[in-house]
Amino acid sequence: QKEVEQNSGPLSVPEGAIASLNCTYSDRGSQSFFWYRQYSGKSPELIMSIYSNGDKEDGRFTAQLNKASQYVSLLIRDSQPSDSATYLCAVNSRAAGNKLTFGGGTRVLVKP
Amino acid sequence: GAVVSQHPSWVICKSGTSVKIECRSLDFQATTMFWYRQFPKQSLMLMATSNEGSKATYEQGVEKDKFLINHASLTLSTLTVTSAHPEDSSFYICSARDIAVNTDTQYFGPGTRLTVL
Repeated sequence: QKEVEQNSGPLSVPEGAIASLNCTYSDRGSQSFFWYRQYSGKSPELIMSIYSNGDKEDGRFTAQLNKASQYVSLLIRDSQPSDSATYLCAVNSRAAGNKLTFGGGTRVLVKP
Repeated sequence: GAVVSQHPSWVICKSGTSVKIECRSLDFQATTMFWYRQFPKQSLMLMATSNEGSKATYEQGVEKDKFLINHASLTLSTLTVTSAHPEDSSFYICSARDIAVNTDTQYFGPGTRLTVL
């Protein structure tokens, strides 16, 4: 079982719609969670970090964390073609060496 | 803020040669930097954690004698790929944590694309 799992996609959404991305993790000791966006051929770019249960909003992005279910999600509202990229979920566990473990990424395609 | 640079952005070398990649935190200090490798259509794989003033910690399966890491200052870490072979061709990405901010956030450099002929 992978430590951090994501649906590889592609997730195809029409422009202006909401894109919903999911991520599950296996280490219950994980305490910080991140979403990165990666365009083809580029390095990851931080979108959101979340540390406590509930929702966290930043512009068109909302991250949701449920530690009991070991689940973190990302919503992208009013999706734009420029949001087309691979979204990486990353989980940090201090007990496991204080390093990030990445999911395989979900490819999102926003169609005009 | 929180800008990380890498140099070079791409490099082509002959098999058997060594290549050095630099990672710099430009506007913050980092006691810890990380080196990742990413093959096409795969996610990032952590190679090693670079600690300022001490030895790097390598992930299982990563040869420390082949991938030499030096973290001599709070703003610079280097990765040297020794005796490179075609299978070492990959996208190498570093990241850094800001010691002034008490979070686990890692800021990534733009990456270095290595091609070994």
